[in-house]
Amino acid sequence: RKEVEQDPGPFNVPEGATVAFNCTYSNSASQSFFWYRQDCRKEPKLLMSVYSSGNEDGRFTAQLNRASQYISLLIRDSKLSDSATYLCVVNRAGKLIFGQGTTLQVKP
Amino acid sequence: DGGITQSPKYLFRKEGQNVTLSCEQNLNHDAMYWYRQDPGQGLRLIYYSQIVNDFQKGDIAEGYSVSREKKESFPLTVTSAQKNPTAFYLCASSSQRGPDTQYFGPGTRLTVL
Repeated sequence: RKEVEQDPGPFNVPEGATVAFNCTYSNSASQSFFWYRQDCRKEPKLLMSVYSSGNEDGRFTAQLNRASQYISLLIRDSKLSDSATYLCVVNRAGKLIFGQGTTLQVKP
Repeated sequence: DGGITQSPKYLFRKEGQNVTLSCEQNLNHDAMYWYRQDPGQGLRLIYYSQIVNDFQKGDIAEGYSVSREKKESFPLTVTSAQKNPTAFYLCASSSQRGPDTQYFGPGTRLTVL
């Protein structure tokens, strides 16, 4: 079993839709949590950190449930430019552990 | 501009040859990392270095070697002992103040023929 698991998708949604991605992690010692975005054949870039209280950045909302070891990312009002792979990442003992990513395709 | 550079972007080598991938950063970051990414998989840590002249093995270090003689530079050598070297290699760095946030270079796509 992978330490960080994501549904690879792809998620195909129309512009303007709301889409949610989920991620589970297996190691309860994981300390901090993130979503990175990776465009096709490019490097990953930090999208946002994830806090237990939940946090929002514009159209993006991230949630963490430590009891269930579950992380989510909600994207509202999807844009064509949101098309990318979204990587769920946890910090365990100072190392970043990456999920395989969930691919989002936003269609006109 | 501050950032991380990796060269070359694409690299082709014959099986059995060692190859060295370059990674340079001018962000004054102490920590540097090497990952590999295979299709449909997450990034896997090869080696990392928290400080000059020191480095540690990651999860998949076999068949790779690194050096950290300068703060700015963290080259990765893919040796002939690496059984499946064809992959996308990503270098990253982070600061002491923000070790969780890693900044990535553009990557090198290595194809071994």
